[in-house]
Amino acid sequence: GDSVTQMEGPVTLSEEAFLTINCTYTATGYPSLFWYVQYPGEGLQLLLKATKADDKGSNKGFEATYRKETTSFHLEKGSVQVSDSAVYFCALSDRGAGGTSYGKLTFGQGTILTVHP
Amino acid sequence: NAGVTQTPKFRILKIGQSMTLQCTQDMNHNYMYWYRQDPGMGLKLIYYSVGAGITDKGEVPNGYNVSRSTTEDFPLRLELAAPSQTSVYFCASSQDREWTQYFGPGTRLLVL
Repeated sequence: GDSVTQMEGPVTLSEEAFLTINCTYTATGYPSLFWYVQYPGEGLQLLLKATKADDKGSNKGFEATYRKETTSFHLEKGSVQVSDSAVYFCALSDRGAGGTSYGKLTFGQGTILTVHP
Repeated sequence: NAGVTQTPKFRILKIGQSMTLQCTQDMNHNYMYWYRQDPGMGLKLIYYSVGAGITDKGEVPNGYNVSRSTTEDFPLRLELAAPSQTSVYFCASSQDREWTQYFGPGTRLLVL
């Protein structure tokens, strides 16, 4: 079945440091890939997404590129801020050979990011 | 737009009790989902619905039931609460073909 593996956390950085959170996936079909962020006490919200190979998703200074050859979707940000402290989830929605997945998401375990001033 | 709303925010149940977690969305989305989030784990899909009257099981459906009588509402029912159902429950919805899911704020459930 489909699966998503994220780098082990938690990750602790100083403000303005470079961030990378690794994400690799296994899928049988043609997945769309997502990064969701969960701020303390809140639900998840979409950070960025990519729907096909070589697409780059970007939002709020975060970027991730859909790499089919390495089955990866690593999240990066050049300069993190204290306000970026949150839990980050990599997820996929596998369309399968038939072309639909009904949007069901398979999540990684999440990576806790803490940014200190 | 309120988006996706969930009630209650927090609940304590005794083993064997039942309850319904409510979920409502005002975006006219056809697709709705229930996930549970256990500590240190990602979210796991419990049930989903592709439209009013149509529901299907996800990865971890045992101990739960759902119904979808309207586009807006997708309640999750726990019939006989067990300690293993202690978790945070999230409801989400999405639009056809876009597949971006919009999440509610969650319901924290403690079964003692």
